[in-house]
Amino acid sequence: SQQGEEDPQALSIQEGENATMNCSYKTSINNLQWYRQNSGRGLVHLILIRSNEREKHSGRLRVTLDTSKKSSSLLITASRAADTASYFCATHQAGTALIFGKGTTLSVSS
Amino acid sequence: GAGVSQSPSNKVTEKGKDVELRCDPISGHTALYWYRQSLGQGLEFLIYFQGNSAPDKSGLPSDRFSAERTGGSVSTLTIQRTQQEDSAVYLCASSLGGPGSDTQYFGPGTRLTVL
Repeated sequence: SQQGEEDPQALSIQEGENATMNCSYKTSINNLQWYRQNSGRGLVHLILIRSNEREKHSGRLRVTLDTSKKSSSLLITASRAADTASYFCATHQAGTALIFGKGTTLSVSS
Repeated sequence: GAGVSQSPSNKVTEKGKDVELRCDPISGHTALYWYRQSLGQGLEFLIYFQGNSAPDKSGLPSDRFSAERTGGSVSTLTIQRTQQEDSAVYLCASSLGGPGSDTQYFGPGTRLTVL
């Protein structure tokens, strides 16, 4: 069953703009992770935020987590054409494997 | 160092045939995972191995699917009597610790097409 659901499904922006993607989930979690996928192949881990954290930064990435709303957001600032990819959130509950959402497809045009 | 590798990168087979997909995890990683991704969809968890523990097979869609991990390293995912709905990209990942506690490193995937 799907735990994380990303919103929007697709996002198109211009270079230099910020991109915000959201993820909602249904049950309590240990942590939430964001991954990036280029061209339908292997995923690359971007950032992990634990359930007791509210915000994390990594370079141009900013992730927030609101456990009361069961939601997370990924913000990419000053986007570049190379950021074009699909972005997935994945949630971890104790004793289970990661459960991935269906992803947001980001297209950044120059 | 070397990442996760998978072979073959592409596999075309006829309906009803068996296929084997291989995954070489990063050396020293105790956990290994198999996922399936259909066109335009998210990742569907299939199975994971953690050290010497019994694998979590809860995601396998049918008894036609099975997986082994020999010597705590290489893993093989076998699909018997393939069906057209099995067509997808099969992704393998490994991590140093268990699921959720560590970053999962993904291989490039095997694109399976069942005609």
